Amino acid sequence: SQQGEEDPQALSIQEGENATMNCSYKTSINNLQWYRQNSGRGLVHLILIRSNEREKHSGRLRVTLDTSKKSSSLLITASRAADTASYFCATDAGSGTYKYIFGTGTRLKVLA
Amino acid sequence: DGGITQSPKYLFRKEGQNVTLSCEQNLNHDAMYWYRQDPGQGLRLIYYSQIVNDFQKGDIAEGYSVSREKKESFPLTVTSAQKNPTAFYLCASSMGQRTWTQYFGPGTRLTVL
Repeated sequence: SQQGEEDPQALSIQEGENATMNCSYKTSINNLQWYRQNSGRGLVHLILIRSNEREKHSGRLRVTLDTSKKSSSLLITASRAADTASYFCATDAGSGTYKYIFGTGTRLKVLA
Repeated sequence: DGGITQSPKYLFRKEGQNVTLSCEQNLNHDAMYWYRQDPGQGLRLIYYSQIVNDFQKGDIAEGYSVSREKKESFPLTVTSAQKNPTAFYLCASSMGQRTWTQYFGPGTRLTVL
């Protein structure tokens, strides 16, 4: 079962524009993470936000978390062609386990 | 891809054969995971292990088996019982103990001929 659903499924923007992608989940979480995957490669961790946090920044990345709406957003500012990748959210499956549930991903294409 | 290696990068299997995918990590992580990714899809959890000599089924364990005899190694066997094994397989590890970041290997692409 997939807990996270990203929206949109695909996004195409011009270099320099901001990219926003959203993630919704179904059950209570301890934390939510965002990962990036270049085509045919493994995933790379971008940022983690805990359930008691509302916003977090890392370089050009800004993540928000709204636990009342069970949703999160990832904003990439001043996008670059190198940001072209798929982005996934992942949520923990509950206390006591190290199991994660990944969303379906947003495919971002940044045009130079 | 951190300190996780997966081999081989590409694997071809004939129907009816079992194949084993290798996953090794030198990060001293307690937890290890296997995911399956189909084209254009997210990751689905096959098996995970929180500690040596222990592992748990994920959402799609049927047709797969694993072992965790050493902390560094978590091999995945795709058996002939797996009806549609062609996919991209990703191994990951995390420190465990409520340290949640996962580190992924480069993946193995399995194709059934």
